[in-house]
Amino acid sequence: EAGVTQFPSHSVIEKGQTVTLRCDPISGHDNLYWYRRVMGKEIKFLLHFVKESKQDESGMPNNRFLAERTGGTYSTLKVQPAELEDSGVYFCASSQTGTGVGYTFGSGTRLTVV
Amino acid sequence: QKEVEQNSGPLSVPEGAIASLNCTYSDRVSQSFFWYRQYSGKSPELIMSIYSNGDKEDGRFTAQLNKASQYVSLLIRDSQPSDSATYLCAVHKMDTGRRALTFGSGTRLQVQP
Repeated sequence: EAGVTQFPSHSVIEKGQTVTLRCDPISGHDNLYWYRRVMGKEIKFLLHFVKESKQDESGMPNNRFLAERTGGTYSTLKVQPAELEDSGVYFCASSQTGTGVGYTFGSGTRLTVV
Repeated sequence: QKEVEQNSGPLSVPEGAIASLNCTYSDRVSQSFFWYRQYSGKSPELIMSIYSNGDKEDGRFTAQLNKASQYVSLLIRDSQPSDSATYLCAVHKMDTGRRALTFGSGTRLQVQP
């Protein structure tokens, strides 16, 4: 079984540019989550999809961040325009419905805004 | 006060020893607790979950939960150099209906050969 796949693995962009991160969850997992870890801080929750619906987006920092999950399969997280403080590692995770909240993480996308 | 507190370490133990990792949490409604292991540059990997007071053992790992004192710990017996990693404590509060986890900042474990 393929794990949670994220790409790109690294992205370096200039302040003000747009970046789109992609996450492919484990096949059959209805729940998809985005988290991020900025330098020196804890991993923090951003949002949760159930299939294509946003179940919880309470962790999204501001309206420069837009997450989508069209068709309930892969998800994208767009940052537009990127700011320096957006630098960090963005993790995606997925889980099946009914299996609790101990979910599987992808390897992350390291975003550097310069 | 952070919701989930961990000593950042590094915690250094000799090979074969028991490594004890601790985590405290501030919100009493927290009900599910998880330990993730993260190697440098890799994704967090779930190694243990615990929901009830007491001990839960899985191979060389034992998770301990004390809800009255609001702490959860992870013991690693017969530590190996391959156990060297950052260990993340995460909690889930079931009362909100949300599935978000709150993470601590992690404890870096170094197992010396």
